[in-house]
Amino acid sequence: DVKVTQSSRYLVKRTGEKVFLECVQDMDHENMFWYRQDPGLGLRLIYFSYDVKMKEKGDIPEGYSVSREKKERFSLILESASTNQTSMYLCASSLSRGGTSEIPSYNEQFFGPGTRLTVL
Amino acid sequence: TQLLEQSPQFLSIQEGENLTVYCNSSSVFSSLQWYRQEPGEGPVLLVTVVTGGEVKKLKRLTFQFGDARKDSSLHITAAQPGDTGLYLCAGAGGGGADGLTFGKGTHLIIQP
Repeated sequence: DVKVTQSSRYLVKRTGEKVFLECVQDMDHENMFWYRQDPGLGLRLIYFSYDVKMKEKGDIPEGYSVSREKKERFSLILESASTNQTSMYLCASSLSRGGTSEIPSYNEQFFGPGTRLTVL
Repeated sequence: TQLLEQSPQFLSIQEGENLTVYCNSSSVFSSLQWYRQEPGEGPVLLVTVVTGGEVKKLKRLTFQFGDARKDSSLHITAAQPGDTGLYLCAGAGGGGADGLTFGKGTHLIIQP
């Protein structure tokens, strides 16, 4: 079974602090994702990566950066945490797309348990 | 930007009742997935549907993909308290790495 782990389940930080959220997957997946989830807004993609040292902006990258130095690890960084970054952060991974018109890649994503971050 | 609209947003019913949750879009998806998320946990994949008109069953849960691959439904028969959770649909084929587009979810509460 795929396992995606996140470094913390709960985190409390102060405004202006630098925050690191770590995510590790053990199934050699190429793609990794960071989402935030807020009531009424659903899952919103922050950043994703389809290979080591590669990163792409998602829908809401402002205020965040990421790092992917190893295939299994994808880190989300809040350079200077703000109260509007209080949220549930979810990491996910998936195999490479690699599909064809006859056999599409299902793109199933496997999620970690989430980190609930509170910024005071 | 592709959008997936889920309805209803909230649903609270008694144990034993049947229910249907809908996921609609004006866009065509190559596949559609349903996830369930319990409080304090990440979403867990329930099923993937790929072919227009496809029906998949998972015990008391029946998933259907629309003929035009723009919409999907989840029907639960004889709901149980263990079915309580947030149900998310996600469409694939919208671009980007995997290109999943998530709906906002349906909060389902099954009361004993």
